[in-house]
Amino acid sequence: EAGVAQSPRYKIIEKRQSVAFWCNPISGHATLYWYQQILGQGPKLLIQFQNNGVVDDSQLPKDRFSAERLKGVDSTLKIQPAKLEDSAVYLCASSLGRTDSKETQYFGPGTRLLVL
Amino acid sequence: AQSVTQLGSHVSVSEGALVLLRCNYSSSVPPYLFWYVQYPNQGLQLLLKYTSAATLVKGINGFEAEFKKSETSFHLTKPSAHMSDAAEYFCAVSRDDYKLSFGAGTTVTVRA
Repeated sequence: EAGVAQSPRYKIIEKRQSVAFWCNPISGHATLYWYQQILGQGPKLLIQFQNNGVVDDSQLPKDRFSAERLKGVDSTLKIQPAKLEDSAVYLCASSLGRTDSKETQYFGPGTRLLVL
Repeated sequence: AQSVTQLGSHVSVSEGALVLLRCNYSSSVPPYLFWYVQYPNQGLQLLLKYTSAATLVKGINGFEAEFKKSETSFHLTKPSAHMSDAAEYFCAVSRDDYKLSFGAGTTVTVRA
């Protein structure tokens, strides 16, 4: 079974530029998550989708971050304009569905962003 | 909101020695608890999870964890460390809001 795919793996941009990350979840997984992992910290949830609807985006900085999940499969996370503090690893995860809190989330390899 | 605290940001063990990683949670109601491992330049992989069944949970790669309600702990252990265990380990908790809250992580190095 193929895992969660993410691209690109690495990205270097200058501040105030824009950047987009792509995620393809495990086939059949209804729930998709984007996390931000700053160096030395655990991942922090940015946004959660159930199919193509947003379940939780309370931690998403909406003035600069946006995300969409068209057709309930692939998802794109965008930052515009980027700030230095956005340097982090952006992880995508998926799970079967929002059935209960003990459901396992499966993570992709992440996109490492460096903002100069 | 529930949270987890991982004691010790770095742990160094000799190959063949016991690995012990500490995790304490803050919750008035027993939550669901997870341990994930992250190898360099990779995503997180589930090691094991506690879902209110058995308090001693066995996971992959020889790891296990014990849920202790009286101590609000969910420490991760492995009897004999291997070089391939060098990685970063995260404890996480979830409750009724379905969100995963992660600890800050513990980096494990294994000495030959």
